Amino acid sequence: SYELTQPPSVSVSPGQTARITCSGDALPKQYAYWYQQKPGQAPVLVIYKDSERPSGIPERFSGSSSGTTVTLTISGVQAEDEADYYCQSADSSGTNVVFGGGTKLTVL
Amino acid sequence: EVQLVQSGAEVKKPGESLKISCKGSGYSFTSYWIGWVRQMPGKGLEWMGIIYPGDSDTRYSPSFQGQVTISADKSISTAYLQWSSLKASDTAMYYCVRPRNGGDNYFDYWGQGTLVTVSS
Repeated sequence: SYELTQPPSVSVSPGQTARITCSGDALPKQYAYWYQQKPGQAPVLVIYKDSERPSGIPERFSGSSSGTTVTLTISGVQAEDEADYYCQSADSSGTNVVFGGGTKLTVL
Repeated sequence: EVQLVQSGAEVKKPGESLKISCKGSGYSFTSYWIGWVRQMPGKGLEWMGIIYPGDSDTRYSPSFQGQVTISADKSISTAYLQWSSLKASDTAMYYCVRPRNGGDNYFDYWGQGTLVTVSS
């Protein structure tokens, strides 16, 4: 079955830039989406269609795509950005939704 | 305002049946797919499946096909996730989700989650 691969953890100091990657063979053909999940809360969409930002999401969140890898970038990381981040896409047929395994962002 | 309101936490024994719900409001319930996502304790998000309440077209993730049943009652704008025989491994938080637009396969709207605990 199709898989999206994320690093288990990323650590950055406040004010630095965090980059979280997500790799999958179908990403050149399918959009990627990113969700932020804080403890005890439902996930929140932070990036859609590779690089679009929903209203209400801070400008420091951005997304990009290159080949089979998509990247969520958080510029000027703040303590409140500490959370789990999940990428989501679909298989090459577009039929099956898939989530990545998640990345825990730690703000040092 | 779009809202997905899920039923409350459940504690069940192995072998029991269960049906949890997700009530949509603030939009045309029959015009948007509603999906279900599992999150086991301390683990990541897993896609379970999705239903189109307008015609009950239902699609399951291969991992969950045959393990659960997704249904909807459009007369009361409610989607359901049910099990006929629970296992301890079904212990998880379950979220219902709705896409931003009808044809999208990403999810702007999430329910608050229903915690299901299966223990003898």
